[in-house]
Amino acid sequence: GESVGLHLPTLSVQEGDNSIINCAYSNSASDYFIWYKQESGKGPQFIIDIRSNMDKRQGQRVTVLLNKTVKHLSLQIAATQPGDSAVYFCAVHVGGGNNRLAFGKGNQVVVIP
Amino acid sequence: GAVVSQHPSRVICKSGTSVKIECRSLDFQATTMFWYRQFPKQSLMLMATSNEGSKATYEQGVEKDKFLINHASLTLSTLTVTSAHPEDSSFYICSARAPREDYGYTFGSGTRLTVV
Repeated sequence: GESVGLHLPTLSVQEGDNSIINCAYSNSASDYFIWYKQESGKGPQFIIDIRSNMDKRQGQRVTVLLNKTVKHLSLQIAATQPGDSAVYFCAVHVGGGNNRLAFGKGNQVVVIP
Repeated sequence: GAVVSQHPSRVICKSGTSVKIECRSLDFQATTMFWYRQFPKQSLMLMATSNEGSKATYEQGVEKDKFLINHASLTLSTLTVTSAHPEDSSFYICSARAPREDYGYTFGSGTRLTVV
């Protein structure tokens, strides 16, 4: 089965600094990767995604890096703001008919004003 | 686009009763929807995959007779927790796959179920 994990359970970051959240996955057949943000009592909110044929993708203040060699992806948040405080999950999709996402354990980001 | 609406957002029920949770895709048709359960400070665990017009596919360890799933139309899937017990108290979240090139998994806002 697919195993997805995050390295750090909680990340405290000063407002304005950059945040980096890491995620490891185990299935080399994974073809699509998504980062979600979840605030308390709400459903996951899409942040950014990346396909396996790319190694970097940028959005507004966020960048996702994918290293397929070591099965690792990261989410970088630039100039972290108080509104970025949430739990962040990586999710991995495996193609070939396995039409589902496997979620990582989650990483709490706490922004210190 | 690709909005998923989930209702109710919160529900409290007595032990032994049943609770129905609805998941609707508002602006797209979803042949496949997913139901997750999330306990406090834990990740989302897939319970079942709901397929329009056919039986749901349940993950190992999920009781299909307890968690009834109905996906009768391309925009609506329902999860019914039957004979609910306090240990069923959890955050239930649905997801649908939008018909976009990048797969587009969109999530509902979740339902907080408390069984007393």
